[in-house]
Amino acid sequence: DAGVTQSPTHLIKTRGQQVTLRCSPKSGHDTVSWYQQALGQGPQFIFQYYEEEERQRGNFPDRFSGHQFPNYSSELNVNALLLGDSALYLCASSPQGFSAFFGQGTRLTVV
Amino acid sequence: QQQVKQSPQSLIVQKGGISIINCAYENTAFDYFPWYQQFPGKGPALLIAIRPDVSEKKEGRFTISFNKSAKQFSLHIMDSQPGDSATYFCAASIVTGNQFYFGTGTSLTVIP
Repeated sequence: DAGVTQSPTHLIKTRGQQVTLRCSPKSGHDTVSWYQQALGQGPQFIFQYYEEEERQRGNFPDRFSGHQFPNYSSELNVNALLLGDSALYLCASSPQGFSAFFGQGTRLTVV
Repeated sequence: QQQVKQSPQSLIVQKGGISIINCAYENTAFDYFPWYQQFPGKGPALLIAIRPDVSEKKEGRFTISFNKSAKQFSLHIMDSQPGDSATYFCAASIVTGNQFYFGTGTSLTVIP
């Protein structure tokens, strides 16, 4: 079982650009959540997808958007990147009603 | 507003000692409390979790103590080992599998 896989592992973007991060959930998991973890901080919830729809959203601007595909994989898109968007972006998957399992994250650096 | 408050920020323990990390919450609707371990450059890994209907849960060297009336819960790591050196996060959610609110993390160093 591959667990939660994220790609790419590292990414450098220029301020103002757009970025897409990808996540494949653990086998059998139908719910995908995205978190942003700034250096030295705990993860902050961005949003959660279930049945291809956004089910919950944290306190993040509309520049952050996502998508879930029929195979449960997911993408996180961030538009108009700011320096403050530099962080570790974590994807977590879970089967309904159980705890979340995290991938190893994508380290995004905005310069 | 920090939904889950965690302390201490950092902790140094001798090998074989007990590591204790504390968390407190305000929202009484929280009903699931996991602890995660994170190594540098890695994602958080689920260690152990508890529901509010029990006061303690033990898995190997890791124990969660839960005090519902005080709205506090803690992680105890018995016989701490250098390999336990990592950052630990407590979290809380309303209905497991939904949005997690994380504490700010505790950096644990176990000295050989």
